[in-house]
Amino acid sequence: AQSVTQLGSHVSVSEGALVLLRCNYSSSVPPYLFWYVQYPNQGLQLLLKYTSAATLVKGINGFEAEFKKSETSFHLTKPSAHMSDAAEYFCAVSTKAAGNKLTFGGGTRVLVKP
Amino acid sequence: SAVISQKPSRDICQRGTSLTIQCQVDSQVTMMFWYRQQPGQSLTLIATANQGSEATYESGFVIDKFPISRPNLTFSTLTVSNMSPEDSSIYLCSVEIAGGSSWMNEQFFGPGTRLTVL
Repeated sequence: AQSVTQLGSHVSVSEGALVLLRCNYSSSVPPYLFWYVQYPNQGLQLLLKYTSAATLVKGINGFEAEFKKSETSFHLTKPSAHMSDAAEYFCAVSTKAAGNKLTFGGGTRVLVKP
Repeated sequence: SAVISQKPSRDICQRGTSLTIQCQVDSQVTMMFWYRQQPGQSLTLIATANQGSEATYESGFVIDKFPISRPNLTFSTLTVSNMSPEDSSIYLCSVEIAGGSSWMNEQFFGPGTRLTVL
């Protein structure tokens, strides 16, 4: 079985400060990992994905994430937060063994303070 | 990538009625999925919509409550039957594009259907 845990349901950062969203996964086989963002009243948009290539993945809007197998983690970072980053962020895992079905974490809502 | 549309975008329904949600993709896709996002919560997979055969439901979801159709490779419907207020959620479809491209194993999501049951 596969699962994802996101530490912190809410994160508050100041504009210009580092954004760090934590994600840990559990999978018995090599995983594919994803970060999605959901803006208010909108669907999900893919930020970035890890599919067994480079462990440091760069995504859209200045976000990046690093896959660390030893820590079973896939934390999302952005060096400098912008007001437009206020949204909910979801980490997700899938595996070929599970038919590529996505299992989502609980989500982290990011608030950016001016 | 893929462009996905859903109809309706939102609806308010009465208890005991049913609502059918449509998902249309602008290209042929192998995998289509339906998710539910209850208020303030994450996404939960309801089922995989299989073209030409019965959908594959996840634990806790049954065909009588959430019948799904997928008549071709670009279209699917999800019906929420005999609704109760507990069914108030956002329902999202997603598609996975297979093949030798950079989009392999990536799911694209529709904008969602926001359902309120009174």
